[in-house]
Amino acid sequence: AQSVTQLGSHVSVSEGALVLLRCNYSSSVPPYLFWYVQYPNQGLQLLLKYTSAATLVKGINGFEAEFKKSETSFHLTKPSAHMSDAAEYFCAVSVVTSGTYKYIFGTGTRLKVLA
Amino acid sequence: DAGVTQSPTHLIKTRGQQVTLRCSPKSGHDTVSWYQQALGQGPQFIFQYYEEEERQRGNFPDRFSGHQFPNYSSELNVNALLLGDSALYLCASRDRRGTSGAYNEQFFGPGTRLTVL
Repeated sequence: AQSVTQLGSHVSVSEGALVLLRCNYSSSVPPYLFWYVQYPNQGLQLLLKYTSAATLVKGINGFEAEFKKSETSFHLTKPSAHMSDAAEYFCAVSVVTSGTYKYIFGTGTRLKVLA
Repeated sequence: DAGVTQSPTHLIKTRGQQVTLRCSPKSGHDTVSWYQQALGQGPQFIFQYYEEEERQRGNFPDRFSGHQFPNYSSELNVNALLLGDSALYLCASRDRRGTSGAYNEQFFGPGTRLTVL
């Protein structure tokens, strides 16, 4: 069964510091991977998605993620954290069953940015 | 271009009651999925609808049911509410007919916060 694991339910970084949010996947087939962000009291917004066209994926708000098959990872990074990045981040894998797609989400990582 | 909309925003019910949540998909999308997000957890897949039929279901009891209308909007119904049903319910839509296949991401609405007392 396909799944994703997010290590670290809470991550704190200083403003301007590197952001690294970890996601490992389990899949016997090429995975369809996504990162979403959720701001307080809001729905989920897509940050980026892995489409197999490139292993380094650039998303919105300066985020990027690198797909590493050898490590079964799809970690999310941002070179310099901003206060507005404080939110919860979810890694998800899209699972195909009989032609329908559903997401399996990780448990999320809450990012806190310190001034 | 309107995104995914959901109503109501918040809802308070008591145990044993029934609730109906509504979702309008993003323009051009034909597939609607519902997710339950308990506090501090990631969203859990409830079910998916397209062509007005339930196509896939997650590990949720029959108390959870849904419907999709010809205009692609959808409802989620929960009967005999339990305290554990308190959660944020998210609707997501997708263009199943798109050429990108599995890479067509789902777009999420703001959610309905259900509190069961």
